[in-house]
Amino acid sequence: KQEVTQIPAALSVPEGENLVLNCSFTDSAIYNLQWFRQDPGKGLTSLLLIQSSQREQTSGRLNASLDKSSGRSTLYIAASQPGDSATYLCAVRRNTDKLIFGTGTRLQVFP
Amino acid sequence: GAVVSQHPSRVICKSGTSVKIECRSLDFQATTMFWYRQFPKQSLMLMATSNEGSKATYEQGVEKDKFLINHASLTLSTLTVTSAHPEDSSFYICSAPPAGLYEQYFGPGTRLTVT
Repeated sequence: KQEVTQIPAALSVPEGENLVLNCSFTDSAIYNLQWFRQDPGKGLTSLLLIQSSQREQTSGRLNASLDKSSGRSTLYIAASQPGDSATYLCAVRRNTDKLIFGTGTRLQVFP
Repeated sequence: GAVVSQHPSRVICKSGTSVKIECRSLDFQATTMFWYRQFPKQSLMLMATSNEGSKATYEQGVEKDKFLINHASLTLSTLTVTSAHPEDSSFYICSAPPAGLYEQYFGPGTRLTVT
């Protein structure tokens, strides 16, 4: 059974810091991995998607890497801003469309 | 990008009543949609896979007679919480993968409170 874990569970940093959020999964037979952002009481916003054959994806200040063989992905946030405060979720997909979500990292960036 | 909507966004109901939540894909067709439940400060847990034209597939531990799913068309799936109880209070989110695309798109969620 696929299990997805995110570390840390919560993070509070001052504005401007570069951050690394970690995601690990137990079964490396994945189709892709997706990072999402969730604001309190809201739905999910897709940030980045990495196919199993890819090593990383970048969008603006965000960079996500994937090491499928070791079951790890990281989300790097450069020059963090208060607007980045949210919960970040990673999710892995196998050969069906089902997504298995991680436990989430609650990020707070203070001015 | 593809858009998925949910209605209602928020609902309060009395214990014992039934509540219907709609999930629509606005600009694409979806033969499959997914329903998730999220309790406060927890991650999303997949409840069931909604299949257009056939029965839904439920995850282990999810009561199919309590959570009725109907995928009536290629753009609409409904989740009905029957005989709701306070422990059913949660945030329900649907998602749909557009055909041929790798990403899944999520609805904005429905906050259900059962009093």
